[in-house]
Amino acid sequence: QVQLQGSGPGLVRPSETLSRTCSVSGDSISTSSQYWGWIRQPPGLGLEWIGSIYFSGSTYYNPSLKSRVTISVDTSKNQFSLKLNSVTAADTAIYYCARLLGNYGPVGLWGPGTRVTVSS
Amino acid sequence: QSVLTQSPSVSGAPGQTVTISCTGGDSNFGAGYDVHWYQQVPNSPPKLLIYGNTNRPSGVPDRFSGSKSGTSASLVITGLQVEDEADYYCQSYDTSLKAVFGGGTKLTVL
Repeated sequence: QVQLQGSGPGLVRPSETLSRTCSVSGDSISTSSQYWGWIRQPPGLGLEWIGSIYFSGSTYYNPSLKSRVTISVDTSKNQFSLKLNSVTAADTAIYYCARLLGNYGPVGLWGPGTRVTVSS
Repeated sequence: QSVLTQSPSVSGAPGQTVTISCTGGDSNFGAGYDVHWYQQVPNSPPKLLIYGNTNRPSGVPDRFSGSKSGTSASLVITGLQVEDEADYYCQSYDTSLKAVFGGGTKLTVL
């Protein structure tokens, strides 16, 4: 059974960089046609797409966040990561890592999600 | 403001049928991208409910069905049950190659 587990600090100071890593177990991150992504949900609000990556390193970012986001993959560790720089309070949210079924496919599997708070 | 538009709330009594709508535009549904639906109960991640407009993942009851026509999509829940009370989100892609979500619809089972 495939599982996703995110890790990283739950508190980030304004203007600094938010970093999250998602560890994949039960499947290879290099499996063909599977993409890996990050989605966030501000408190009490809806879902926002951050971006996604293929094991080859091809990335797709939300244009509204593109200037601040980097998503990378480490196939040797079966992990993928998110970095969001210059954060503000507006970046406070639950951050989910996810497995996508194809580049334009649905999110077939969600990680449990972790709340990240931006505050001094 | 979400790219895909959903009504904020819908309600129904147990046993009834409810429809949750999702309206897009030429850059997403109109461009041929599929719609996917998710169910989110409080304090849990979303769960895939319908993919590729009409398909149910294994384990999703056939009370849930989806459709898409033109720039609109719908999720229909028949035989409403108390445990269906949740937030429902539609999702697609658009020509900027990013995924887009609806704002979510809160379903209340009366």
